[in-house]
Amino acid sequence: AQKVTQAQTEISVVEKEDVTLDCVYETRDTTYYLFWYKQPPSGELVFLIRRNSFDEQNEISGRYSWNFQKSTSSFNFTITASQVVDSAVYFCALSEVTQGGSEKLVFGKGTKLTVNP
Amino acid sequence: DSGVTQTPKHLITATGQRVTLRCSPRSGDLSVYWYQQSLDQGLQFLIQYYNGEERAKGNILERFSAQQFPDLHSELNLSSLELGDSALYFCASSAEGFIDSPLHFGNGTRLTVT
Repeated sequence: AQKVTQAQTEISVVEKEDVTLDCVYETRDTTYYLFWYKQPPSGELVFLIRRNSFDEQNEISGRYSWNFQKSTSSFNFTITASQVVDSAVYFCALSEVTQGGSEKLVFGKGTKLTVNP
Repeated sequence: DSGVTQTPKHLITATGQRVTLRCSPRSGDLSVYWYQQSLDQGLQFLIQYYNGEERAKGNILERFSAQQFPDLHSELNLSSLELGDSALYFCASSAEGFIDSPLHFGNGTRLTVT
């Protein structure tokens, strides 16, 4: 079965610092999708990015960037010049094909990021 | 706004009771997923429906059941509630039951069992 490991349970940084959230995954599928979600204190799950297993190009969106390395089964997320509003729990997730032939998401345990002013 | 609507937002009930959580998927989406988020277990997949039929089952207790109606909204029924069922329950929807597009989640229903 698929597995997602986010080894960092909690990270605390000071505003303007760069921070990287690690995600390591295990899968037997040749085609899969990787995701990052943000859960702010208000509780909703906010989609950040989806990456196809065939696309190993790094992606940058504003202060956010993602490093996908298939060789190490990692999909790390970096926030540059962190801000207090970035404080949230961040989840990495992996698609898994179910026995019924559909797909579901398997989530890591999440990393709680606190950005202090 | 993800387009996925969950009601109610909060629910407080006593042990032994039964509750129903409702989810309306995004317009055009045929598949609905239910997830439970608790402090100890994290985000756990419960069940998936596609166009009215159960497609996949995860860590869903026998006391829990779900269904998807012809108008595609879904309900998650939780019965004989225990303290440990207190959690945030999320619904998500996708077009065809495949994760080939971002899986958007509703804002969740926070269930507190006292």
